[in-house]
Amino acid sequence: DAKTTQPTSMDCAEGRAANLPCNHSTISGNEYVYWYRQIHSQGPQYIIHGLKNNETNEMASLIITEDRKSSTLILPHATLRDTAVYYCIVRAQYGNKLVFGAGTILRVKS
Amino acid sequence: DTAVSQTPKYLVTQMGNDKSIKCEQNLGHDTMYWYKQDSKKFLKIMFSYNNKELIINETVPNRFSPKSPDKAHLNLHINSLELGDSAVYFCASSQGWGPESPLHFGNGTRLTVT
Repeated sequence: DAKTTQPTSMDCAEGRAANLPCNHSTISGNEYVYWYRQIHSQGPQYIIHGLKNNETNEMASLIITEDRKSSTLILPHATLRDTAVYYCIVRAQYGNKLVFGAGTILRVKS
Repeated sequence: DTAVSQTPKYLVTQMGNDKSIKCEQNLGHDTMYWYKQDSKKFLKIMFSYNNKELIINETVPNRFSPKSPDKAHLNLHINSLELGDSAVYFCASSQGWGPESPLHFGNGTRLTVT
């Protein structure tokens, strides 16, 4: 599985968009980009995933660069409840395990 | 309704004991997993089962034995517990084996070995 690089931590003002970057320069063409988050004392929560195209769901948007070497998770209107560790994961086409890194600690502040 | 549920939520036991953690999913998924999150907060896969068959075993000590009585259940048995087994254990499930199927996690079982 390709390695990902994320900032250790980020702050965001409540009500503003939170943009979380992720570098995955060694990603191969058949590997998916996944985002999960883990709120304190809870299990990891699936947010969104994509292969090549940008994706949007009720939680967030995923923007993948054309060369696929980086991506950005966008939470359009962050709330205090979005404070969590956010994990960017590159998942191989074969072998279905998710390999978690250290993630980004996002702190949403009022 | 909880999609992936684990019991117990907390488990405190002494070294050398044998314990089990149960996991059930009501999502109709056919693939289930066990992950371990240690004190440094890193999440690592331990096992994966697809249609009740073991698919992934990530060099976990054989004191850990998963058992899948049916597709909706994946239980974790741990024999001869050691201090280093203290961690939070997460169960997860997904629809299918492929990379396009997200994993859905339970809320974990915090195991403390004294």
